[in-house]
Amino acid sequence: DTAVSQTPKYLVTQMGNDKSIKCEQNLGHDTMYWYKQDSKKFLKIMFSYNNKELIINETVPNRFSPKSPDKAHLNLHINSLELGDSAVYFCASNQGLSQETQYFGPGTRLLVL
Amino acid sequence: AQSVTQPDIHITVSEGASLELRCNYSYGATPYLFWYVQSPGQGLQLLLKYFSGDTLVQGIKGFEAEFKRSQSSFNLRKPSVHWSDAAEYFCALTTDSWGKLQFGAGTQVVVTP
Repeated sequence: DTAVSQTPKYLVTQMGNDKSIKCEQNLGHDTMYWYKQDSKKFLKIMFSYNNKELIINETVPNRFSPKSPDKAHLNLHINSLELGDSAVYFCASNQGLSQETQYFGPGTRLLVL
Repeated sequence: AQSVTQPDIHITVSEGASLELRCNYSYGATPYLFWYVQSPGQGLQLLLKYFSGDTLVQGIKGFEAEFKRSQSSFNLRKPSVHWSDAAEYFCALTTDSWGKLQFGAGTQVVVTP
């Protein structure tokens, strides 16, 4: 049983397209996160939701829109894709307290051509 | 503002030799500190974490880390590496109540026969 799953695993698309990445966790956690890992492997948080409420919103272009239909799901929609959006996007979840372990999904590798 | 520095971008170690990965942080108080490992093409897995108490923390896969407040460091060690330890290692901290992880740039570990 996969604790945190992401679909798709790979995504290749053209500039200007709109795409979505889905994340689901079966750990019963209250909080979910999106991180972006760039080509130099640097990881940076993008968003976080706690019980479907947005609690962290870093300086991310508004082309990126997260949506949490319920506690177990956090999706990321990206409009008008740009070359610089090429990265690996990781979803994570935890119980929502700082010291709680965040469990990461396997990542979605996005390539924008 | 807080920050995490991993001075070593790349480390090569022989199988069976000891390993130490350095991590320094900048923060006015004691943050919550974490070490994650990312195997090629995989998500991140928590090795260990420190919040308070005993400054020597034991983790999974035979890893340990020592928190040194005077040096603002949280170095990761393993007495004898295995080929399967070849991976990218990330030190991270969080200081807010929602667990926003801030990562170092990572250290790539290569294990030679």
